[in-house]
Amino acid sequence: ILNVEQSPQSLHVQEGDSTNFTCSFPSSNFYALHWYRWETAKSPEALFVMTLNGDEKKKGRISATLNTKEGYSYLYIKGSQPEDSATYLCAYNAGGTSYGKLTFGQGTILTVHP
Amino acid sequence: EAGVAQSPRYKIIEKRQSVAFWCNPISGHATLYWYQQILGQGPKLLIQFQNNGVVDDSQLPKDRFSAERLKGVDSTLKIQPAKLEDSAVYLCASSPDWTANNEQFFGPGTRLTVL
Repeated sequence: ILNVEQSPQSLHVQEGDSTNFTCSFPSSNFYALHWYRWETAKSPEALFVMTLNGDEKKKGRISATLNTKEGYSYLYIKGSQPEDSATYLCAYNAGGTSYGKLTFGQGTILTVHP
Repeated sequence: EAGVAQSPRYKIIEKRQSVAFWCNPISGHATLYWYQQILGQGPKLLIQFQNNGVVDDSQLPKDRFSAERLKGVDSTLKIQPAKLEDSAVYLCASSPDWTANNEQFFGPGTRLTVL
């Protein structure tokens, strides 16, 4: 059974604060790590797909890093805005015969207060 | 480009009733996924199609859940009969193919409440 854990479960920050979340995943049989943002009543939206150890990706004020040897990824948001309020999900793929199957963490719920 | 469409958006039924959800993936996407997301948990893969064939249905409760993807395009997921624990958001996603570094494009989901 693959275990993907995210922390914290929820987070409240003030507008302008920077924040970060953690995703832990099995370090063996790693193929890819996905980050999604899911706003209420909308479709989950892909943020990053990361495959290489040491990879760092950035989209606007959001960035992510990947450590496949120790099995974790960090997502950073710089200068949080109320529109960043959402559930942030990470998902792990083990490659091999998993045929693109993603195992999701339980998500981190971010609330940014004006 | 149109996104993944799902209907209905919301459904309330009584336990032991039947329900069906519909998904229309992005045009040309060969791979289609159905996920179940129970409150407080991450989405769990129920079934994965590659064109109209099933690639993975290991977590589909086959005694009550069924899914099909006729002609390799639209898909339906059915629950018959529903139980209280089936209350969840059912998400459909599609991707160009099944390789793991392809992002999956999600629909808005169907929120099912079983009373």
